[in-house]
Amino acid sequence: NAGVTQTPKFQVLKTGQSMTLQCAQDMNHNSMYWYRQDPGMGLRLIYYSASEGTTDKGEVPNGYNVSRLNKREFSLRLESAAPSQTSVYFCASTRLAGSYNEQFFGPGTRLTVL
Amino acid sequence: DAKTTQPPSMDCAEGRAANLPCNHSTISGNEYVYWYRQIHSQGPQYIIHGLKNNETNEMASLIITEDRKSSTLILPHATLRDTAVYYCIVTGNEKLTFGTGTRLTIIP
Repeated sequence: NAGVTQTPKFQVLKTGQSMTLQCAQDMNHNSMYWYRQDPGMGLRLIYYSASEGTTDKGEVPNGYNVSRLNKREFSLRLESAAPSQTSVYFCASTRLAGSYNEQFFGPGTRLTVL
Repeated sequence: DAKTTQPPSMDCAEGRAANLPCNHSTISGNEYVYWYRQIHSQGPQYIIHGLKNNETNEMASLIITEDRKSSTLILPHATLRDTAVYYCIVTGNEKLTFGTGTRLTIIP
């Protein structure tokens, strides 16, 4: 049981390049999330998916697209990377049983855009 | 979601109880108080949550005031591994809003 996995762990891009961050969970969770964390700040929600086939914008969606490929996988795409997108990206999932919203987080992807 | 206010940093001696306060004076009746922590650069980890009753699990205790406008997370016997940033989050839905939290340092 690996929990939430993310690839890659590190990535350096040049301005204007594109890339996709991958996230997968093996806990049969319905909901999945993408956050970004800038230095010294808390996490900010980019997009989330309450179930397979649905996605919704979070607090900071501009410059990103997401795909909920199936129940296990939720990817985040940067179409044209900008230096302002330099950050650590965390994926999370939760099963949401009543009030119990324990989100399980992946180890993060550290992205630098030059 | 209600806004939360936490002290930016706290120290606690190893082996003592660490008491982390959180103010959430605008909390609504259907909103829960969640606590997460983030050790170094890892992903956040769930600790505990509650609505209005005090809660305890193997990691910590959560004390919520009767008016629900503030709460305290208690780590009963802090160890060096408890050094982390602790986030108090108030939410009535599946989305979590992380502030800047409290950086707790356990002193040997």
